[in-house]
Amino acid sequence: RKEVEQDPGPFNVPEGATVAFNCTYSNSASQSFFWYRQDCRKEPKLLMSVYSSGNEDGRFTAQLNRASQYISLLIRDSKLSDSATYLCVVSKRGNTGFQKLVFGTGTRLLVSP
Amino acid sequence: EPEVTQTPSHQVTQMGQEVILRCVPISNHLYFYWYRQILGQKVEFLVSFYNNEISEKSEIFDDQFSVERPDGSNFTLKIRSTKLEDSAMYFCASSENGDGIGYTFGSGTRLTVV
Repeated sequence: RKEVEQDPGPFNVPEGATVAFNCTYSNSASQSFFWYRQDCRKEPKLLMSVYSSGNEDGRFTAQLNRASQYISLLIRDSKLSDSATYLCVVSKRGNTGFQKLVFGTGTRLLVSP
Repeated sequence: EPEVTQTPSHQVTQMGQEVILRCVPISNHLYFYWYRQILGQKVEFLVSFYNNEISEKSEIFDDQFSVERPDGSNFTLKIRSTKLEDSAMYFCASSENGDGIGYTFGSGTRLTVV
């Protein structure tokens, strides 16, 4: 089983639509959870951290279900500029105690006019 | 906003040649990392570096790879004898703590091995 699993998409949505991405992770010991955004051939950029209580940042809402090992991202009122690949990322404790990041393959979003 | 700087942005090298990828992490960060992304695939952890030594490395990081912090600002990744399958984007990152939070990635070096 993959450590972090995502639907690769692409998700094609019109401007203004609401779109949801899901992700599952296999390591129940993971401590931190994130959604990153990656534009074509660019570096990953942190979109938001994800907490069990759920958190919102403008049009973006993230949710974590530790029991199901499931992470979600909801984007409301999609903009053309939201077109990108959304990476589900979890932290994994290394042998020396520090946390490294484990990335999913990403879900591609295309927002059209 | 502080940045992680990587040079060069693109490097083309012949198979078997040595390459050095350079990074300048954020100045008050203590943890440094290299990740790579083969075209069309996920971002993968290569190595982490703290207190002037490797703290962890992945299976990918074999004897052909090495990292160094030659001075107080640079952090380098050396590939001794490049293979075609080393072609990828290499991202440097740094963080203040080793807790997975607060990573900043550089813009990457695209390595093409021909």
